[in-house]
Amino acid sequence: DQQVKQNSPSLSVQEGRISILNCDYTNSMFDYFLWYKKYPAEGPTFLISISSIKDKNEDGRFTVFLNKSAKHLSLHIVPSQPGDSAVYFCAASEEGYQKVTFGTGTKLQVIP
Amino acid sequence: DVKVTQSSRYLVKRTGEKVFLECVQDMDHENMFWYRQDPGLGLRLIYFSYDVKMKEKGDIPEGYSVSREKKERFSLILESASTNQTSMYLCASSFANSANLGTQYFGPGTRLTVL
Repeated sequence: DQQVKQNSPSLSVQEGRISILNCDYTNSMFDYFLWYKKYPAEGPTFLISISSIKDKNEDGRFTVFLNKSAKHLSLHIVPSQPGDSAVYFCAASEEGYQKVTFGTGTKLQVIP
Repeated sequence: DVKVTQSSRYLVKRTGEKVFLECVQDMDHENMFWYRQDPGLGLRLIYFSYDVKMKEKGDIPEGYSVSREKKERFSLILESASTNQTSMYLCASSFANSANLGTQYFGPGTRLTVL
């Protein structure tokens, strides 16, 4: 049972435009959400996170939005750059639990 | 800088062999994790450990075991490798009870091929 879902396996965006990556979850106990970025032949690296008490968190070109009622979060990258081309994983955790549940990933390609 | 290292980047083994994957972190993290990454399936948790000699099963523990004798080292063991264990294996570590609970630091991965 996939508790964290990324329904788009891939996304192509022109350089300078906005990239929007989506993520849905089913477990209402999740209260902390993260995005990781992974380049080929490297491990994932933490990008940005959001607590369930917020609906938006911004860090430079990256903004994560959380809609708890819809159990949906999204990552916005503005403006997109070729170096953003990578696989992006959405992840979620429950308060008091040490483990994190990851989604299936979305491969972003930013075209120069 | 946090560093998580894995013993091998690439490994080729035969069916039935016993395989050891080693992971070392240098940040005194309490938690350590083993994942496998497969196309279309994302990252799936095999086992994790929140303290020395402590372990908990993740989502797909079958066919695997783990060992954590020292805080900095977490080993994944395939007792009898099978072809369906061909995958990318990723180790990660994190602090326990941190404000950024869930923020994990990953190693570069080990690409294991079982023939």
